[in-house]
Amino acid sequence: QKEVEQNSGPLSVPEGAIASLNCTYSDRGSQSFFWYRQYSGKSPELIMSIYSNGDKEDGRFTAQLNKASQYVSLLIRDSQPSDSATYLCAVANFNKFYFGSGTKLNVKP
Amino acid sequence: EAQVTQNPRYLITVTGKKLTVTCSQNMNHEYMSWYRQDPGLGLRQIYYSMNVEVTDKGDVPEGYKVSRKEKRNFPLILESPSPNQTSLYFCASASTGVYSPLHFGNGTRLTVT
Repeated sequence: QKEVEQNSGPLSVPEGAIASLNCTYSDRGSQSFFWYRQYSGKSPELIMSIYSNGDKEDGRFTAQLNKASQYVSLLIRDSQPSDSATYLCAVANFNKFYFGSGTKLNVKP
Repeated sequence: EAQVTQNPRYLITVTGKKLTVTCSQNMNHEYMSWYRQDPGLGLRQIYYSMNVEVTDKGDVPEGYKVSRKEKRNFPLILESPSPNQTSLYFCASASTGVYSPLHFGNGTRLTVT
């Protein structure tokens, strides 16, 4: 079983819609949770960090963490074509970071 | 500008020829780590370092070496590269380990023939 699981997609949404990305993890002791965006051939860029249960909002992005259910989600409101990328979920514990394989998001104009 | 710098960006080499990929950060971060990214497998941690002279294995350390003699530098060494080490490599740093996010370098695309 992989440490971090994501649906590989692609997830296609029309411009202006809400994109919902999900991630589950296996280790209940996980301490920190992150969402990264990666454009093809580029390095991952941090979107959000979340450390405690609940929602965290930053502009058009909302991260949600549910430790009891071991899932993390990312909502992107008012999706733009420039949001088209692969989104990586990362989970950290015991000095290690574990990444999902990423969900590819396509935002259609 | 705060950044993680990797060199080279592209590297083509032959099986068995030792190589080093350099990584340097200017943010005074304690934590540094190396990842490889392969299609369908995502990012996998090779080695990490909590501080100077403190290094430990990640999930895929076989065939790699690292050292942390200075806080800012964390080179990745392949002493005898093999074709299965052909991959995209990223160096990353974090302020205080797993309680802070990783900042990534621009990546090194390595091809071993």
